[in-house]
Amino acid sequence: LAKTTQPISMDSYEGQEVNITCSHNNIATNDYITWYQQFPSQGPRFIIQGYKTKVTNEVASLFIPADRKSSTLSLPRVSLSDTAVYYCLVGGYSSASKIIFGSGTRLSIRP
Amino acid sequence: NAGVTQTPKFRVLKTGQSMTLLCAQDMNHEYMYWYRQDPGMGLRLIHYSVGEGTTAKGEVPDGYNVSRLKKQNFLLGLESAAPSQTSVYFCASNDGQGQNQPQHFGDGTRLSIL
Repeated sequence: LAKTTQPISMDSYEGQEVNITCSHNNIATNDYITWYQQFPSQGPRFIIQGYKTKVTNEVASLFIPADRKSSTLSLPRVSLSDTAVYYCLVGGYSSASKIIFGSGTRLSIRP
Repeated sequence: NAGVTQTPKFRVLKTGQSMTLLCAQDMNHEYMYWYRQDPGMGLRLIHYSVGEGTTAKGEVPDGYNVSRLKKQNFLLGLESAAPSQTSVYFCASNDGQGQNQPQHFGDGTRLSIL
């Protein structure tokens, strides 16, 4: 199983760029890297997914180095509404029982 | 298009009582999952299903049973509730036909066992 390690918490200010790094040293060849966002009293929501290099969508960017042993979620110009818990997952969904949510990173954005 | 709907949203039970949590999805997804989330922790997989009529155990299956009689519904049952099962329960689904398809989550059921 590919275990992930993320910072427990991070603080930032509105308008700043926030980068959250996830370590996954045991990532397998077929594994993808997926990030979810969770607000209080809600279920997790898919943000972005990637396999290698860089992926960008309207919400975030995901940077994955060549060795794929880590990944960085980048949130450009955060706002107060980005305050949430962010989870990094590694795996292939064909192995449904091996999906592991760690404790995530609690991101707090201040005015 | 409602996505994933969980009922009820809140419930309080006494120890030993039984109940069933219902999850319904309208996206024609093959895979469905039940997770529990305890305070300050991530989600832990209880049971999952890869298609109608099939179920399998996840990381923490003890004390729970599930059924997937219809493709769109996934039921989670507690036969004899215990205080240790106090948690927030989340249901999710995804299209298992493609590897690494993101999961769609419901908004959870808050369950308290007294």
